[in-house]
Amino acid sequence: AQSVTQLGSHVSVSEGALVLLRCNYSSSVPPYLFWYVQYPNQGLQLLLKYTSAATLVKGINGFEAEFKKSETSFHLTKPSAHMSDAAEYFCALKNYGGSQGNLIFGKGTKLSVKP
Amino acid sequence: EAQVTQNPRYLITVTGKKLTVTCSQNMNHEYMSWYRQDPGLGLRQIYYSMNVEVTDKGDVPEGYKVSRKEKRNFPLILESPSPNQTSLYFCASSLNRGDGYTFGSGTRLTVV
Repeated sequence: AQSVTQLGSHVSVSEGALVLLRCNYSSSVPPYLFWYVQYPNQGLQLLLKYTSAATLVKGINGFEAEFKKSETSFHLTKPSAHMSDAAEYFCALKNYGGSQGNLIFGKGTKLSVKP
Repeated sequence: EAQVTQNPRYLITVTGKKLTVTCSQNMNHEYMSWYRQDPGLGLRQIYYSMNVEVTDKGDVPEGYKVSRKEKRNFPLILESPSPNQTSLYFCASSLNRGDGYTFGSGTRLTVV
């Protein structure tokens, strides 16, 4: 069965520091992978997606993620955190075949940014 | 503006009183889906649809119904709501299987 695991429900960084949010996945077939961001009292916004074209994916707001098949990981990074990055981040997986509409989410990581 | 619109944004109802949350998208997307979000549990898929008249269960379908009679609309029906269905609900749509979903703004449902 497919699953997504986000390591750390809360991550706190200082403004200007590196942001690293961890995501590991389990899938029997090559997956599509996504990162979403949710600001308080809002819906989810797509940050970036991996669809096998390139292992390093660049997204909006300076975020990027690297797909590592050998580690079954898709960690999200940003070189320098801004206060506006404080939000909850979700990693998600969708399979190429089978239930193609089934987008499976991790439980989320809440990012705090200290001044 | 391309968007997913759900209504209402907030709803308080009583146990057993049937309700419908509407969802509409204006992007001609094939796929639509409903999720519920609960603290500590993340987002869990309720139902999804791959096209008109094609729907399938997600991870937590019990107590919910959906229909996809038109491409743009995907209503969520709670025939007999119970307090454990108190949650934040999101509707979402995507053009094809390789795309992520575009999400609506959410419907906060409270069942008392």
